Amino acid sequence: DAGVIQSPRHEVTEMGQEVTLRCKPISGHDYLFWYRQTMMRGLELLIYFNNNVPIDDSGMPEDRFSAKMPNASFSTLKIQPSEPRDSAVYFCASSWGLAGTPDEQYFGPGTRLTVT
Amino acid sequence: DAKTTQPPSMDCAEGRAANLPCNHSTISGNEYVYWYRQIHSQGPQYIIHGLKNNETNEMASLIITEDRKSSTLILPHATLRDTAVYYCIVRVRGAAGNKLTFGGGTRVLVKP
Repeated sequence: DAGVIQSPRHEVTEMGQEVTLRCKPISGHDYLFWYRQTMMRGLELLIYFNNNVPIDDSGMPEDRFSAKMPNASFSTLKIQPSEPRDSAVYFCASSWGLAGTPDEQYFGPGTRLTVT
Repeated sequence: DAKTTQPPSMDCAEGRAANLPCNHSTISGNEYVYWYRQIHSQGPQYIIHGLKNNETNEMASLIITEDRKSSTLILPHATLRDTAVYYCIVRVRGAAGNKLTFGGGTRVLVKP
């Protein structure tokens, strides 16, 4: 398996523009997570899905952020409109979740977002 | 999930064992200890986890005290590629959501 795939790897955009980050989880995993990492706040969980259904979005900073998982092999994190304070590295991770299965999370390489 | 306390940084010599401590004095009986690491510019990577018995895999060993209030991650022969931030996390295994809450971690620098 190629692991968790994220695209783009780098994104530079201007304030006010819409940004869409993409993630393909490891095949067979039923949990998908979106994290954000900044120097000030470290690694933060934004939202996670189980079987394509959002379970906990309490970490989503505000209404400008939205995430979807239309099928088991694809998820998006959208920021509209983007602001300079959204600049961060965004990680996607996936894991199994059934009782008795390994539950360690596998992380993608991240998307480095810069909003100017 | 229980809170963990780790030293912010530590150095170790290449080829020597690196012993990374973690305090989790409020850990509950059903919470596991997990270790992840993050090499610069990469996503976090799972290392090992345990409940109360010592654990070993190809990457590291995990020693958990009998009262489970602290643990030590051991990298038996540290290499330069082990330079990373190491995170100790305690959580209930298999709980709804499998959430990970990352603290500040320990920044480990392996020196030649």
